Parts: sequence; structure tokens; C-alpha cells
Amino acid sequence: GAGVSQSPRYKVAKRGQDVALRCDPISGHVSLFWYQQALGQGPEFLTYFQNEAQLDKSGLPSDRFFAERPEGSVSTLKIQRTQQEDSAVYLCAGGHGSGANVLTFGAGSRLTVL
Amino acid sequence: GQQVMQIPQYQHVQEGEDFTTYCNSSTTLSNIQWYKQRPGGHPVFLIQLVKSGEVKKQKRLTFQFGEAKKNSSLHITATQTTDVGTYFCPASGTYKYIFGTGTRLKVLA
Repeated sequence: GAGVSQSPRYKVAKRGQDVALRCDPISGHVSLFWYQQALGQGPEFLTYFQNEAQLDKSGLPSDRFFAERPEGSVSTLKIQRTQQEDSAVYLCAGGHGSGANVLTFGAGSRLTVL
Repeated sequence: GQQVMQIPQYQHVQEGEDFTTYCNSSTTLSNIQWYKQRPGGHPVFLIQLVKSGEVKKQKRLTFQFGEAKKNSSLHITATQTTDVGTYFCPASGTYKYIFGTGTRLKVLA
């Protein structure tokens, strides 16, 4: 596609529910990042994929967060047993290369946990 | 990833005034990028600086990379309301970009 597509754009979950956020990157993007952005803050790194390999998951806040990119294209960020502090915008970004990249961000998925 | 400190955190300017934001690192950076995020939007890439002392211009925006590659600045001449947003200067080691809190610019018409 022409850009990075994320869905859903908005998600309201009750505390304790599981959610899945999808990222459809630009074709050919080797690198894929997930960031979490709380209101008024900068994007916080969550995890990084190079093709289908998850090379860095050091930013995932807890074991309730899980990300996958099984075929090296579409990626899913799953949050189990959501908590109110998980409320944020989740941004997906892709880059062509495997090293220092120009990042193209998607519009984000805004998660609100009640 | 390498983290940089960005100042100021907030800046309000009258339309037509100039604006500058600064990024500083304690370590030498391999490169630095600049992104702009409009309110309610997502970060959009503006530019990447790689060479020591590099200066790049985009219309009213001037980007500089310090001689020691430890600092960078973004200067906007004669701000317009379309410049409103948060400006980030993530730096990268091998692949990871650390964004920080950025500088939030408000332009008063």
C-alpha cells in the first residue's frame, strides 16, 4: 500500500479484556517498530522486527504485551488483560533498511481502557 | 539507541517570530533525524543529518548538526500557524530510535 495502515483506529476495552492491534506496513519495509505514546509524551519504543525476526522486545512493559510478524509483513501487537495504564496511542513505523532508517509511521491505534 | 535531551519542552511564539529547538547528547551521534507531529497526528519524517557540521534547509526550516556530532538544532524563520506541533530529534545507534518528549510549538496568530 501507499502508507502504513493501522487498525483499529480507535479501541475501547474494559479492564481485563484482551486486544489485538494490527499494522500493515509498506510493501518492502524490512524494519517494523511498535511505539507507545501516552498523552503529552513522546513515542516510547516497544519492540523491533527485522522481517519476521523480533530482534528487540526490551520496551514491552510487561509479559501481557506480545508482538508478532510471522511472515515478515503484517504485524500484530496483542495486549492481554488490559489495564488502565495501557491507555495510549500505539504507533507502528516501518523502514526500508535493517539499520538506521527513515521511519514511516501509521496513524496509530488509540486504545482506551475503562 | 542513543538518547538526546531536547530544549525547550514548550515554546509559544507570535506568528512571524522565529523559533529554535535544540538537541544535545553526551555522546557522539552517528546520525540524527527530525520529525514533526501535528496535534492529533503521527510523527512525520522531516530530515536526517549524518555529517559533522552539516546544514540543510527546507524552505523556512534550517537544520544543523554540530561539528562534534553531539548536538543539533532546528530553526524556523517567520513561523506560521501551520508550524504548530511537536518536533522530535531521535538519534539512533544501530536501529533503535529513542524519541524523548520533543519540543511543543504553539504559534499565536
